Amino acid sequence: DVKVTQSSRYLVKRTGEKVFLECVQDMDHENMFWYRQDPGLGLRLIYFSYDVKMKEKGDIPEGYSVSREKKERFSLILESASTNQTSMYLCASSFLQGRYFGPGTRLTVL
Amino acid sequence: QQQVKQSPQSLIVQKGGISIINCAYENTAFDYFPWYQQFPGKGPALLIAIRPDVSEKKEGRFTISFNKSAKQFSLHIMDSQPGDSATYFCAASMMSGGYNKLIFGAGTRLAVHP
Repeated sequence: DVKVTQSSRYLVKRTGEKVFLECVQDMDHENMFWYRQDPGLGLRLIYFSYDVKMKEKGDIPEGYSVSREKKERFSLILESASTNQTSMYLCASSFLQGRYFGPGTRLTVL
Repeated sequence: QQQVKQSPQSLIVQKGGISIINCAYENTAFDYFPWYQQFPGKGPALLIAIRPDVSEKKEGRFTISFNKSAKQFSLHIMDSQPGDSATYFCAASMMSGGYNKLIFGAGTRLAVHP
């Protein structure tokens, strides 16, 4: 079974802090994704990566950046956290058309 | 044009009943339609999926009905059980810009009462 792990289940940060969310997958997938999940809005794509050191903007990239230095690891960075970035963040990896999701990180920005 | 509209937002069903969740899309370039199931504290997991060349796919108690002309598809959960209580997301997929783009519906929170 594919396993996607995320570094934290819950995170509380202050406005203006730099925040790192880490994601690791163990299935050698080329593609990795970061989504945010908000009630009534479904899952919205922030960034994705189709190869090491490659990244592409998703639908809502503003206020976020990403890093992919190794194939199995994809990091989401909030350069200066704001309260409107309080959300559930989901990492996923994929082969072909499926998505394998991690358990999510619930981030609260105070 | 790339939206996927999902309804209802929430659903309460009695144990043994049928749960029905509906989705609609506009873009005919979509070629793969998965449903994801998410339990509290977990990430979404693929439940069942269909391609537009078939009108129905059944896996156990879960069935997808697909109407290509109406650009609609739905998930039916037969003999619903309390363990089916979860949030369900429909999605639609197509190749875009060299990668497989997946658009999610807003989600339906299903509660099955004993």
